[in-house]
Amino acid sequence: GENVEQHPSTLSVQEGDSAVIKCTYSDSASNYFPWYKQELGKRPQLIIDIRSNVGEKKDQRIAVTLNKTAKHFSLHITETQPEDSAVYFCAAYSGGGADGLTFGKGTHLIIQP
Amino acid sequence: DGGITQSPKYLFRKEGQNVTLSCEQNLNHDAMYWYRQDPGQGLRLIYYSQIVNDFQKGDIAEGYSVSREKKESFPLTVTSAQKNPTAFYLCASSIGARGLAGAYEQYFGPGTRLTVT
Repeated sequence: GENVEQHPSTLSVQEGDSAVIKCTYSDSASNYFPWYKQELGKRPQLIIDIRSNVGEKKDQRIAVTLNKTAKHFSLHITETQPEDSAVYFCAAYSGGGADGLTFGKGTHLIIQP
Repeated sequence: DGGITQSPKYLFRKEGQNVTLSCEQNLNHDAMYWYRQDPGQGLRLIYYSQIVNDFQKGDIAEGYSVSREKKESFPLTVTSAQKNPTAFYLCASSIGARGLAGAYEQYFGPGTRLTVT
C-alpha cells in the first residue's frame, strides 16, 4: 500500500518568514495530494490540493509543488502569520486497495512573534 | 446548516463495552470514511463506504464494525476486541470515491474523542 513520510515533525519560524513542509510517497500510481490544517482539538481542513497532472499550484500565501519523478511534494507558506500556527498534514491517494487517503504524521508549525 | 456532524464530542466507556460513534452528513455525498487519530500520528483509515449498503476495510479495521443503511449515516462501532480504543475518531465524506482525475476532496466532521478505562 501507499506510505507517506512527512518532515519536519516540528517547524518554528519567525513571523513574516516562509515555511516549507516536505512529503514523500511510495506509490507511483498516486494522483491526488491534499494538504490539511488542523488546529488543536478541531477537525482537519483542506487548505490546498494538487493533482498529478500539474507541477505547482498557488492560492495567495500558500503553494504546493509536486515532483512525480522523485515522488515528493511540498507545502510553501510565505509571509507567515500567527494564525498559521497549527498542525499540517500531507496525504496521498492512489486509488488502489483502500479508497481513503494515506496521511503523513503531521508537522507542528509554530510562528514566533 | 449543511455539513458533516459527529456525536458525541466526548465519550467515556469502560473496557469490555462496545460503543457506537455517530456520523451524519447532509451534503448528499456518496462516499464516507472513518479515520482514527492518535497523538503525534497522522490519520489512519478504519473503514470506508462508496455507496449505501456497501463498505470496505481500511488499514486498521480489526476491532471495528460499520454499517451504511442510509446515504446520510455511517456509524462506527468500537468493539471490545479493539485493543487500544482510546483515540480521536474522525468521520469524513466526499462526493464520490474517485473521479476521472483521482480522488475528490474529503470533508471532515468535528470528531469524537473516545476514552476507554
